[in-house]
Amino acid sequence: GAVVSQHPSRVICKSGTSVKIECRSLDFQATTMFWYRQFPKQSLMLMATSNEGSKATYEQGVEKDKFLINHASLTLSTLTVTSAHPEDSSFYICSAPGLGVSGNTIYFGEGSWLTVV
Amino acid sequence: AQSVSQHNHHVILSEAASLELGCNYSYGGTVNLFWYVQYPGQHLQLLLKYFSGDPLVKGIKGFEAEFIKSKFSFNLRKPSVQWSDTAEYFCAVFEGSQGNLIFGKGTKLSVKP
Repeated sequence: GAVVSQHPSRVICKSGTSVKIECRSLDFQATTMFWYRQFPKQSLMLMATSNEGSKATYEQGVEKDKFLINHASLTLSTLTVTSAHPEDSSFYICSAPGLGVSGNTIYFGEGSWLTVV
Repeated sequence: AQSVSQHNHHVILSEAASLELGCNYSYGGTVNLFWYVQYPGQHLQLLLKYFSGDPLVKGIKGFEAEFIKSKFSFNLRKPSVQWSDTAEYFCAVFEGSQGNLIFGKGTKLSVKP
């Protein structure tokens, strides 16, 4: 079945550095991918919509210059957290709509735990 | 904008007890509804979804959910829980045509052996 793979699953970086998270659709093409963030004890919140071949669409309150999204191909979207700060520590997860056995569905990556120290 | 409410933050049950997790959404039009589960240390997995048709939807692992339009609800049920059902459960509703989901805050389920 359709799978979305996310890498790395866990990353620790120093404050002020940048970190890149990859989201791949493994056996289907995804013109759109979504990036979510989950703070501890809170629900998933949409950060941005990644569109293949065009600029990402960011949700209100999400800094586009800080969270760089590149959707360079139909199977890969990347999220780069630039100049990371401890408050950026969170669980980041991507998803992509695909065609499941019983119709349209959403597939999620495994998620990436980012810790900024 | 659509919103999703999950009323129970943490539910604790003994094995074999019946489960019902509440989910209410705000949108009055056509909705697509989902339940996801996140086991400790794992990624989100789809339990079941409702797009149209029979309002009683059966999912994996013995879970089912009933869409009641008049109540704007999509409650998740399981007749007899197991210890392995310990996880966090998220209700979600589609927004837009491209598949963006709005999630509820989640309900943590702890099943005592």
